[in-house]
Amino acid sequence: KAGVTQTPRYLIKTRGQQVTLSCSPISGHRSVSWYQQTPGQGLQFLFEYFSETQRNKGNFPGRFSGRQFSNSRSEMNVSTLELGDSALYLCASSLKGHTGELFFGEGSRLTVL
Amino acid sequence: QKEVEQNSGPLSVPEGAIASLNCTYSDRGSQSFFWYRQYSGKSPELIMSIYSNGDKEDGRFTAQLNKASQYVSLLIRDSQPSDSATYLCAVPSGGSYIPTFGRGTSLIVHP
Repeated sequence: KAGVTQTPRYLIKTRGQQVTLSCSPISGHRSVSWYQQTPGQGLQFLFEYFSETQRNKGNFPGRFSGRQFSNSRSEMNVSTLELGDSALYLCASSLKGHTGELFFGEGSRLTVL
Repeated sequence: QKEVEQNSGPLSVPEGAIASLNCTYSDRGSQSFFWYRQYSGKSPELIMSIYSNGDKEDGRFTAQLNKASQYVSLLIRDSQPSDSATYLCAVPSGGSYIPTFGRGTSLIVHP
């Protein structure tokens, strides 16, 4: 069974640009969550999607957005990039949601110059 | 702000010893508790879940939960160098299932 797949794995952007990250969950998993991981803040929750609906949202500015498609694949977008957005962005899926048992992808490492 | 606290370490133990990792949480209403392992440069991997007071054993790993004292611990018996990683404690707040992660404890098992 394939795991959670995230693309791209690495990317470099400059301030002011925008970026879109993609996540394909484990087959059959309908809940997708996104986390930001930095050395200073650790793992911070961004948002969670289930059946194409955002069910939960973390404490991030509106520049961070996401969506989920009917096949459960998800994308997140960060607009007007800032230096502080440099981080590892992790996608996690779970079968039904409503659980802290998450399966993480390898992440997308974003560097903002 | 619900908090999950862990000692950042590093915790250094010799091969074959028991490694004890601790985590405290602030929300008394929390009902589920998780331990994730993260190797350097890799993503977190779920290794233990515990939902009720007491101990839960899985191979060399034992999770211990004490809700009255609001702490959860992870014991790793017969530690191996391959156990060297950062261990993240994750606790959803009582009113949610979204886990709040601790900063993690770095474990080093030396031969």
